[in-house]
Order: sequence, then structure tokens, then C-alpha cells
Amino acid sequence: QKEVEQNSGPLSVPEGAIASLNCTYSDRGSQSFFWYRQYSGKSPELIMFIYSNGDKEDGRFTAQLNKASQYVSLLIRDSQPSDSATYLCAGYSASKIIFGSGTRLSIRP
Amino acid sequence: DTGVSQDPRHKITKRGQNVTFRCDPISEHNRLYWYRQTLGQGPEFLTYFQNEAQLEKSRLLSDRFSAERPKGSFSTLEIQRTEQGDSAMYLCASSLISERAQYFGPGTRLLVL
Repeated sequence: QKEVEQNSGPLSVPEGAIASLNCTYSDRGSQSFFWYRQYSGKSPELIMFIYSNGDKEDGRFTAQLNKASQYVSLLIRDSQPSDSATYLCAGYSASKIIFGSGTRLSIRP
Repeated sequence: DTGVSQDPRHKITKRGQNVTFRCDPISEHNRLYWYRQTLGQGPEFLTYFQNEAQLEKSRLLSDRFSAERPKGSFSTLEIQRTEQGDSAMYLCASSLISERAQYFGPGTRLLVL
């Protein structure tokens, strides 16, 4: 079992709608979680991090963490074509970040 | 530009050759990480340094791989006797000890023929 699991997608969402990306993790020792965006051929770019249970909002992005269910999610409101990318969920444990395989998101006009 | 930089950005080599990659972290960052990423996968941890000390190496890192960070600033990753399975994107990231978020460089794409 992978430590961080994501649905590989592709997830197709119409422009202007809410995109919901989900992630589960197996290591209860993971203390912090990150969402990175990766465009094709580019390196990952940090867009959100969350350390505590609940919601954290930053502009059009909301990260949600539920440690009891070992579940992390990312909501993208008012989706734009520029949001089309692979989104990597990652957990931090013992000074390392463990990444999921990523969910490919496509925003259709 | 004060972000993480990597050199070269692309490298094509023949099987059996040695290659070396360089990473320059964000200047005040004392932790430096190396990852490898293949198509359709997330980055896989290889090793990390805190200042000049190499604190952890992944089991993925065979004895053909070696990394150094001699003065606690830039780092090098060397692959000896390259194999076709080494073809991947090699990513470097850096962070502060006090923060958990890591910031990535543009990566070095390696193709072994």
C-alpha cells in the first residue's frame, strides 16, 4: 500500500465550477500536508499547506484535513483553464515529504 | 532569481557513463533534498542534507548514486555507470529547518540511451 494515495484521474471540470481533489494517507505520524501543482514538463510548485484539522483558505483554494479519517482534500473554486495540471498531495513525516502519484485535472471551456 | 536552481536542465548520456548534477538551494535554506520523478509518478525521495551533513538516504539510492554538499551550500548528485532505468527527472528542493514546506528547482531531465 502506498503511503499517500490519489486518484490518478483525469478529472474533467467545466470552467467556473469547483474542482475537488482528494487524497488519503496511511502514516498516522504524518503531521503536515501539502498540495503541489505540476504543469507538464515542469517541476512541482507549492500551492497550499495545512497542519491542523479543518479548513484553510487561500484565494480560490481551500485545503481540508481530517486526521481521524486520514483524509486530505483540495477545492479549487471558479476553475480556470490555467488550473489544468497535475496536483500532487504530499505528507510530511520524519523530515521527509512523501508524495502521491498525482491527480490530473483538466478544466474544459 | 532567488529560487532553487539546477544545472544542467537536460542531459543525454550513453549507458555506462557517469553523470553529475548540481543544485543551488535558496540561499538561507539549510536543508536540501534530492528526488527522482518518472512519468506518471510523484517525486520519490532519494536523500537529504542538513547543512553539510547527509542525514538520510533512501533504499532507492543504490551504491551507484552519491550526493555531496561539501560546504553546506550547493549540492551535487553523481550517478556512476548509468543504466537505462536511471532515465528520469531529478529534482532538488530546499527548505528551512524551522519550516516543513519544500521549494523545488526546475529539475534535470536525464535520458540514458
